[in-house]
This record gives sequence, C-alpha cells and structure tokens, in this order.
Amino acid sequence: GAVVSQHPSRVICKSGTSVKIECRSLDFQATTMFWYRQFPKKSLMLMATSNEGSKATYEQGVEKDKFLINHASLTLSTLTVTSAHPEDSSFYICSALTSGSTDTQYFGPGTRLTVL
Amino acid sequence: DAKTTQPTSMDCAEGRAANLPCNHSTISGNEYVYWYRQIHSQGPQYIIHGLKNNETNEMASLIITEDRKSSTLILPHATLRDTAVYYCIVRRTYKYIFGTGTRLKVLA
Repeated sequence: GAVVSQHPSRVICKSGTSVKIECRSLDFQATTMFWYRQFPKKSLMLMATSNEGSKATYEQGVEKDKFLINHASLTLSTLTVTSAHPEDSSFYICSALTSGSTDTQYFGPGTRLTVL
Repeated sequence: DAKTTQPTSMDCAEGRAANLPCNHSTISGNEYVYWYRQIHSQGPQYIIHGLKNNETNEMASLIITEDRKSSTLILPHATLRDTAVYYCIVRRTYKYIFGTGTRLKVLA
C-alpha cells in the first residue's frame, strides 16, 4: 500500500515553455501533498505544501507564480513550472501524506526536468 | 522541527549489520523520528519511524535512546541493494526538513 506515482518521469523542454508534472496517490486519499526539488548531490528542499481544495502554501523564496500548484482531488496534485529557464532544471519529487495517528509521507519516484 | 546530525558517509560489508546513527538532541516530547532512504535518482523510500519505543519491521530496526536525543537505524543483514543515502528526520508538524543524510555504501 501507500504508492505514489509521478508523470512524466523525465521531460526535456525549451526555455520559455511550461511543463506540468502530475503526482497521484494510487491506493489512498491524500488531503495534503508536498512538492520538493533536489539538485545533484544535494538534499531535498521543500517547495510547497498542497492542500486539496485550497491554495498551496509556498516555502520562503519559492515563487508561487513560477511554480503553480493545483490539488483538485484527493488523489491528484499537479506542479506546473511556468516559463521554464535552464536554472529550473532539477529533480522534482512529490509526496503524499497518509492520515492517521502518525501521518507518514510517501514519496513519488521523481521527475527529472531539463530545460534547454 | 528539531535539527538532526548524521555522519556524511559509512561503509558496511555485505551480510553484516549496518548501524546508522542520528543525533537529535533538541527533539521535543511529541516529535517522531522517521527514517527514509534514497537510492540514486529515485524518490525517498519510507523505512521506519518511532516516538519513544524501539521499533522493528521487515526492513529495519529503530533504536531510540531513553532520553530520545539520538537514535540508530539498524539494517540487520546489509545487501548491495541497501547502498543509498539514509535520512533521519524529526517531525512535529506535517512538514519534513531533510538534512544531508548518510551515504551508506555496502561493499561486496
């Protein structure tokens, strides 16, 4: 149980275009999902918290107009990188929070974004 | 959330137990200790978590000291597939703050 998927697994796009990444909880409902980014040989950095039916909460320094997050259902959150630039190239990882006594996050496999 | 300190890297012989320490001296009474691992170019994988008592599951054991200021993740019989970066996280709110983790290399 507690499987999270991401699509696509890797994407290459041109500067100035927008890219949408989907995160799905496959066997549980998640009112809260999280988006992280990770640079090579670095740790995960939390970008934002996505809550179903409400606006996302962004971490300090993360541009909300650049990284649009939508959490339209209990099993789907999307991250759209708008007007992508080469410096947006990174590994983007989502997680979904299970509900219960200990609220564990389960992570997706990640999406490798390369902006040319 | 409490800050965690882990060694940067460790080696372990295949088949032997891997003991990964984590220091969380500023942990509060209601904060859980979580362990995840990340194999290269994949998302983190949940391993185990605990509050006060020692915990064991099919993957690992978690030993938390009585004062809760440190913990040890034990992989009882390490295999080459256990080579990964292991993250110790102390969680109070829903958010995780990842530290730099321990890069465990299992040697044949």
